[in-house]
Amino acid sequence: DTAVSQTPKYLVTQMGNDKSIKCEQNLGHDTMYWYKQDSKKFLKIMFSYNNKELIINETVPNRFSPKSPDKAHLNLHINSLELGDSAVYFCASSTQGGQPQHFGDGTRLSIL
Amino acid sequence: GIQVEQSPPDLILQEGANSTLRCNFSDSVNNLQWFHQNPWGQLINLFYIPSGTKQNGRLSATTVATERYSLLYISSSQTTDSGVYFCAVINDMRFGAGTRLTVKP
Repeated sequence: DTAVSQTPKYLVTQMGNDKSIKCEQNLGHDTMYWYKQDSKKFLKIMFSYNNKELIINETVPNRFSPKSPDKAHLNLHINSLELGDSAVYFCASSTQGGQPQHFGDGTRLSIL
Repeated sequence: GIQVEQSPPDLILQEGANSTLRCNFSDSVNNLQWFHQNPWGQLINLFYIPSGTKQNGRLSATTVATERYSLLYISSSQTTDSGVYFCAVINDMRFGAGTRLTVKP
C-alpha cells in the first residue's frame, strides 16, 4: 500500500564505499525526485526525472548518479562516499512538475 | 532562484493553544505545499494550496499569491503536532528552512 517506498531505511557504511538507494512509487506518477536533508534539516533538490529523463540536476557532485529504469523507479547510486554525504535522502513523486509531491520515508545515510 | 522564508524558526506552545506559521516567497508562485515532518522524520503532506484557503480538521492554510505569502493555522494544538513544518514552492522545488514546533502537555 505504500505510495513511495525507499530502501534501505538506514545505511551505515565506511568512507570510500559505493552504495545505492532504491525508490519505487505505485501512484502512477511520471515525475520523480531526490532530495537531500542535512543535519540542520535543510531540504534541497538534487535531481528530478520526468518519464525516465533527467530534468533537473542541481549542483551535485558527479559521484551521485540517478538511474530511472522505468517511470515507477528512481534509484540513487553514490560512489566514493565522503563524510559530508551523511544526511537523510528523500525520494518523492508527482504527476508532473508543479503538482503536489508525495515523499517516501527517507533513507538515513551515515558515513563512518 | 526563488527565496522561501519561514517564520518563526522555533515555536513552543502549551497544549490547546493556537498558532500561525508564515511562509514568504520572493516571487509570484502558482503552487505551494505545506508539510509536517514528524519526530520520526516522515514528511507528511498537509496542504497543496496555490491560492485561497483550505481546511483539514484543526489545520487550515491560506495562500495570498499576489502578496507572496502563505499561512498555516494550527488550532487547539496537541503534542502530536510537534515537529518541523515546511512550506515549499513546488514548481521550483524550493523549501523553506522550516518552523520547529514543540507542543508541551
